[in-house]
Amino acid sequence: NAGVTQTPKFQVLKTGQSMTLQCAQDMNHNSMYWYRQDPGMGLRLIYYSASEGTTDKGEVPNGYNVSRLNKREFSLRLESAAPSQTSVYFCASSERAVALRENQPQHFGDGTRLSIL
Amino acid sequence: ILNVEQSPQSLHVQEGDSTNFTCSFPSSNFYALHWYRWETAKSPEALFVMTLNGDEKKKGRISATLNTKEGYSYLYIKGSQPEDSATYLCASKLAYSGAGSYQLTFGKGTKLSVIP
Repeated sequence: NAGVTQTPKFQVLKTGQSMTLQCAQDMNHNSMYWYRQDPGMGLRLIYYSASEGTTDKGEVPNGYNVSRLNKREFSLRLESAAPSQTSVYFCASSERAVALRENQPQHFGDGTRLSIL
Repeated sequence: ILNVEQSPQSLHVQEGDSTNFTCSFPSSNFYALHWYRWETAKSPEALFVMTLNGDEKKKGRISATLNTKEGYSYLYIKGSQPEDSATYLCASKLAYSGAGSYQLTFGKGTKLSVIP
């Protein structure tokens, strides 16, 4: 049972290059999320997708775009990478909470360590 | 943007000691409080999701309590073991917005080191 799979695990880019981080989950979850983790900061939400076909901005969306390709896959794209985007990126998924007080934990991938020179 | 605070930032305890950490969050519009355990070089793993004031959850030697009126949660570890060494994250969710999904706001974590 793979859970949440992120690719690549490591990447080094030059300023101005573009790249797409891939995320796939095999738990049939409706909701998916992209976070970044920086030293001294908590996990910060970049974008999320409540369900297939919808995406919404999180706390720090500038410089990123996302695509919810299907129910399993949610990709994060850096169109023109900047050194400030050097970070560890985590994808997560969860069941969609539809009833009051019903709440589900998030399941995380292993992260992508991205360095931008 | 919520402000979720965790204390202490780091903690060193001897094997066998019991310990606890605090997570504080704004009590208005509260929906849920999550606890995650994050071992080095691994991904965060869910421990508890708590929604009701007075909730208490337990998993083995780890337990958590929730006070939504005053905006805090405690995580307790009884008889700490070296394998408990990890960063413990809490995260809060706002009340349902109609968007069908809910954003988590994470604290910076408490890093626990258990000395054998």
